[in-house]
Amino acid sequence: DSGVTQTPKHLITATGQRVTLRCSPRSGDLSVYWYQQSLDQGLQFLIHYYNGEERAKGNILERFSAQQFPDLHSELNLSSLELGDSALYFCASSVQTDTQYFGPGTRLTVL
Amino acid sequence: AQSVTQLGSHVSVSEGALVLLRCNYSSSVPPYLFWYVQYPNQGLQLLLKYTSAATLVKGINGFEAEFKKSETSFHLTKPSAHMSDAAEYFCAVSPFQTGANNLFFGTGTRLTVIP
Repeated sequence: DSGVTQTPKHLITATGQRVTLRCSPRSGDLSVYWYQQSLDQGLQFLIHYYNGEERAKGNILERFSAQQFPDLHSELNLSSLELGDSALYFCASSVQTDTQYFGPGTRLTVL
Repeated sequence: AQSVTQLGSHVSVSEGALVLLRCNYSSSVPPYLFWYVQYPNQGLQLLLKYTSAATLVKGINGFEAEFKKSETSFHLTKPSAHMSDAAEYFCAVSPFQTGANNLFFGTGTRLTVIP
């Protein structure tokens, strides 16, 4: 158990819908990262927040957005969902160091 | 720019045999390098990391990796494979020294252990 929690574990929705994925970092970790894992794209970095502020963006679509709240939990919002958005979405957290600890992931299925 | 290449998407070894999973990196700055393992339907677990200290890094579950700058490699080894080692392994690089520490992952290597 890494100490990073993600909810929900599974999410099934339809095209065009909007969903919110939630991540709680390890106690004391200020950084939260979001990654997408899909069969065709592999593991890709989406976005990084540090203590409530966006620090870096990767291959994140404009339909996707994220935020980190004062209690340090983070949410990833995915809207206008397409079939190709079906993937595993991982959250990771770190203090301000090199090591990222990953949550168990949320499996999103878009039908 | 940072990237990693994992040679071999699938590797099969017999139980008790040497495990060797290959990773080559490309980085414009001295990199930090990581190996993560993913068991079926689970998240990624850190096996070991290289952060510019000792070039031979020991990790959990008997794994180790050696950073070779001249070969731009960070191969993962284990002297004797166990059935429980069957999983997918990911090499990753971080451009930490630029202030950005998001991870760039390789495409993964699925390890099968044959009894």
